[in-house]
Amino acid sequence: DAGVTQSPTHLIKTRGQQVTLRCSPKSGHDTVSWYQQALGQGPQFIFQYYEEEERQRGNFPDRFSGHQFPNYSSELNVNALLLGDSALYLCASSLEGPKGSDTEAFFGQGTRLTVV
Amino acid sequence: GEDVEQSLFLSVREGDSSVINCTYTDSSSTYLYWYKQEPGAGLQLLTYIFSNMDMKQDQRLTVLLNKKDKHLSLRIADTQTGDSAIYFCAETLSSNTGKLIFGQGTTLQVKP
Repeated sequence: DAGVTQSPTHLIKTRGQQVTLRCSPKSGHDTVSWYQQALGQGPQFIFQYYEEEERQRGNFPDRFSGHQFPNYSSELNVNALLLGDSALYLCASSLEGPKGSDTEAFFGQGTRLTVV
Repeated sequence: GEDVEQSLFLSVREGDSSVINCTYTDSSSTYLYWYKQEPGAGLQLLTYIFSNMDMKQDQRLTVLLNKKDKHLSLRIADTQTGDSAIYFCAETLSSNTGKLIFGQGTTLQVKP
């Protein structure tokens, strides 16, 4: 079992550019969530995808968008990058539970994005 | 509101017990989690407890939940140098399926 995999591991972009980060969930999982972790902080929820739709969203601007594919993998897109977008971006996968609540969330190793 | 707070730093001697504390504000929390993060790495799920439980034990880890005081703790018995990491407390709310709300993390330093 490969667990949650993210690519790339590191990325450097210039202000104003656009970036796409990728995530493959743990085998058997159908739900993908994205988090932003700034240096020295806890992860902050960006949004969650289930059945190829955004199910809920945290307090992030529309510059942050995503997609989930039929194989449950997901992408996070950030447009018009700002210096403050520099962070570790974490993907978590889980399995939709019987009452609509997710069970354990497993995290990938993250993508370290640096905006210069 | 949604808020999870942790103390920022804890230092212990190898072989001692470590206790990491966490408080949360939302009484509708369903699951409460402890994650471990080593330098440059993602988050590793250590254990979790359902909100109707008081205690959960898993090998060297003991989780205690005081729902009345909204206080969660993680005790690590016989702490080893390999336990040095940042520990995050997180909660999910019944109204927000799957969304984890994290504390700012407690850095555990284990001295030989």
